[in-house]
Amino acid sequence: AQTVTQSQPEMSVQEAETVTLSCTYDTSENNYYLFWYKQPPSRQMILVIRQEAYKQQNATENRFSVNFQKAAKSFSLKISDSQLGDTAMYFCASQIQGAQKLVFGQGTRLTINP
Amino acid sequence: GAVVSQHPSWVICKSGTSVKIECRSLDFQATTMFWYRQFPKQSLMLMATSNEGSKATYEQGVEKDKFLINHASLTLSTLTVTSAHPEDSSFYICSAHPRGLRVHNEQFFGPGTRLTVL
Repeated sequence: AQTVTQSQPEMSVQEAETVTLSCTYDTSENNYYLFWYKQPPSRQMILVIRQEAYKQQNATENRFSVNFQKAAKSFSLKISDSQLGDTAMYFCASQIQGAQKLVFGQGTRLTINP
Repeated sequence: GAVVSQHPSWVICKSGTSVKIECRSLDFQATTMFWYRQFPKQSLMLMATSNEGSKATYEQGVEKDKFLINHASLTLSTLTVTSAHPEDSSFYICSAHPRGLRVHNEQFFGPGTRLTVL
């Protein structure tokens, strides 16, 4: 069974700072995908970044990057130059290749302070 | 592109009544749609997987007779909460997997429906 764990219920940083959100997962599969989703106060789920497990290179999307450590089953999200609009719940999720089901972590509430 | 809508966005009903929530993929066809439930300040919990033209697959612990899912077309899935009770009050979110899409297995999420049962 897949499990995803986010051990930081809440985080708070000042605008323009860098923040890292932690995520660990467990799966017996070798091929899978990992995702970070953002859920702002509007509750709309927004895909932030994705990582294929077979790729060693860490995914990046503008100010967002991940640190994917496959052996440690760790998948952290780094947000650089944080902005007020980054304030949201962030969910880490995993998906086995060939299956469409997403398994979500508990979420981290991130607050960017002006 | 890849927009998913939900209707209604919020609904209040009396205990014992049934409520239908629609999930539509507006600009793509979706062979598979997913229904999630999210309690306040909690994560998304998958309730069921809805496949076009076939019966839905429910997650363990989800009552299939209470949460009726119909995926009658490639752009529409409905969730009906039957005989609703206050404990069914929650935020319900659907997502859709585009037909034929294999890249990254991405799902697109609807904006959610807030259900309050009095």
